[in-house]
Amino acid sequence: GQNIDQPTEMTATEGAIVQINCTYQTSGFNGLFWYQQHAGEAPTFLSYNVLDGLEEKGRFSSFLSRSKGYSYLLLKELQMKDSASYLCAVMDSNYQLIWGAGTKLIIKP
Amino acid sequence: GAVVSQHPSRVICKSGTSVKIECRSLDFQATTMFWYRQFPKKSLMLMATSNEGSKATYEQGVEKDKFLINHASLTLSTLTVTSAHPEDSSFYICSAREQREGYNEQFFGPGTRLTVL
Repeated sequence: GQNIDQPTEMTATEGAIVQINCTYQTSGFNGLFWYQQHAGEAPTFLSYNVLDGLEEKGRFSSFLSRSKGYSYLLLKELQMKDSASYLCAVMDSNYQLIWGAGTKLIIKP
Repeated sequence: GAVVSQHPSRVICKSGTSVKIECRSLDFQATTMFWYRQFPKKSLMLMATSNEGSKATYEQGVEKDKFLINHASLTLSTLTVTSAHPEDSSFYICSAREQREGYNEQFFGPGTRLTVL
């Protein structure tokens, strides 16, 4: 079957760096997405990786290794507003998104 | 980026009534739209995939007669929850796929919170 694994919850300190890991097993691969979701709101797009390597976008970076079925989202200079759930999703061979359960990130002062 | 709107944002209805939720892509044409529901503290669950001009494809366990989906144009899809019951209370989110060469991305609507009394 298809599955996406990511930690349920992580805690980090304001100003620090945190890495959220995601491993996947899917039928086909057409890219991996990271979304941020604040409570009660729809997800917002953060990043898209389809080739191996690191994509940097401001304080957020996303890494992909297709051979390992692995990705991580790196958040630097954490701010209180970064407290949210972070969802990893893989687009399979049918161009459907397979979602992870999300990682709840708690930022402490 | 592309914008997807959803209406209404919140709805409270009585058990047994039907509720229609609209999803619109505002500045792009979406041949495919997706409908999700999300229970508290859970991930998104895909309910159905809607292709313009054809019948929606429902995921296993989703009742197509209860959750009616219509994708009449390239910018509008509707989800109608028929004969709603309290267990249908949830956060419903639509997304629209914008296809570009070598790139597929989904843009999400803001969601509709449905409460059935």
